[in-house]
Amino acid sequence: NAGVMQNPRHLVRRRGQEARLRCSPMKGHSHVYWYRQLPEEGLKFMVYLQKENIIDESGMPKERFSAEFPKEGPSILRIQQVVRGDSAAYFCASSPQEEQYFGPGTRLTVT
Amino acid sequence: KQEVTQIPAALSVPEGENLVLNCSFTDSAIYNLQWFRQDPGKGLTSLLLIQSSQREQTSGRLNASLDKSSGRSTLYIAASQPGDSATYLCAVYGDQGGKLIFGQGTELSVKP
Repeated sequence: NAGVMQNPRHLVRRRGQEARLRCSPMKGHSHVYWYRQLPEEGLKFMVYLQKENIIDESGMPKERFSAEFPKEGPSILRIQQVVRGDSAAYFCASSPQEEQYFGPGTRLTVT
Repeated sequence: KQEVTQIPAALSVPEGENLVLNCSFTDSAIYNLQWFRQDPGKGLTSLLLIQSSQREQTSGRLNASLDKSSGRSTLYIAASQPGDSATYLCAVYGDQGGKLIFGQGTELSVKP
């Protein structure tokens, strides 16, 4: 059973471009979570999704950020019009019910 | 609002020492607690999950305890090795299936 997959592992975007981060949960896991780790800061929750539904988006910035977990395919975290402050490591986790398993992360650099 | 604190922020020990990492949380009404390890530039590796009804969990040289009433958890590492060098993160689940709330981590360095 492959672990949580994230791609790309590294992403460079210029200010104003869009960033799309993908997460494929472990097989059989229907819960997906996104977290962000800013430089020199701890991991912060962003959003919790189940198939086709957003369950908790209390950690998502109000503008430019969106997430989806469609019926088919990976979960997508989308950041529109990126700014330098979006540079961070973005981690996805999946779970069948309780324990969360983390992917390797996507490191976004905004130039 | 739940807050998780880890002490110390950094720790350096000689190889072979036993050590304890501390985690405290402000709201005792947690569901589960999980300890992770993060190597520089890498993802998170789950070490131990303690369910709310449990008081401790053990895996190899690692032992984690949970005292909900006092809002504390400890991670005990026996006979430390240089390969244990990493950042150790404590995180609590607010409810079943919900988000994790992380501490800032303890950066551990084990010197050969």
